Amino acid sequence: AQTVTQSQPEMSVQEAETVTLSCTYDTSESNYYLFWYKQPPSRQMILVIRQEAYKQQNATENRFSVNFQKAAKSFSLKISDSQLGDTAMYFCAFMTSSNTGKLIFGQGTTLQVKP
Amino acid sequence: EPEVTQTPSHQVTQMGQEVILRCVPISNHLYFYWYRQILGQKVEFLVSFYNNEISEKSEIFDDQFSVERPDGSNFTLKIRSTKLEDSAMYFCASNIRENQPQHFGDGTRLSIL
Repeated sequence: AQTVTQSQPEMSVQEAETVTLSCTYDTSESNYYLFWYKQPPSRQMILVIRQEAYKQQNATENRFSVNFQKAAKSFSLKISDSQLGDTAMYFCAFMTSSNTGKLIFGQGTTLQVKP
Repeated sequence: EPEVTQTPSHQVTQMGQEVILRCVPISNHLYFYWYRQILGQKVEFLVSFYNNEISEKSEIFDDQFSVERPDGSNFTLKIRSTKLEDSAMYFCASNIRENQPQHFGDGTRLSIL
């Protein structure tokens, strides 16, 4: 069975600084998808970034980038130039390439951006 | 930008009662999902739904749970006889293809008394 682990329950960063959130996963599959979702206090889950396992290039989306290490089964999220609006719970999620679309989430990391 | 909408935002129900949570997925999406998040815990998959049938369900999704797409727009989750442990935030999600990012609604907070 696939599992996703986020070992940092809480993190904080000063505004404009860079922070990295860790995520590891376990799977025997070779093709899959990885996601980072953000859940602000307003509750809605918002997609931050997506990575396809067969792509070696790390995904980037403006200030957000990932460090995808397939062999190590690691998928960390780097937030550059942190902003107050980045304060949220961040979830790492895994999806197999099967046709059901099921997402498996990690426990989440609460990120506090301080002014 | 189109959104997934969920109603109600908060539902309070007596234990043993039936509850229906409603979702309107994004109109051109074909795949639909329910997840739940017990307070302080991770988001857990409940069920995926495509082409008017369940494509996968988790161990949590037992006989007390059912899903339905009664018309072209709504997607509902029914819990027949609620238990205290069903108290959680329930999220609906949809996507246009199963391997594309899922769009989530704001969630329904279900409180069982």
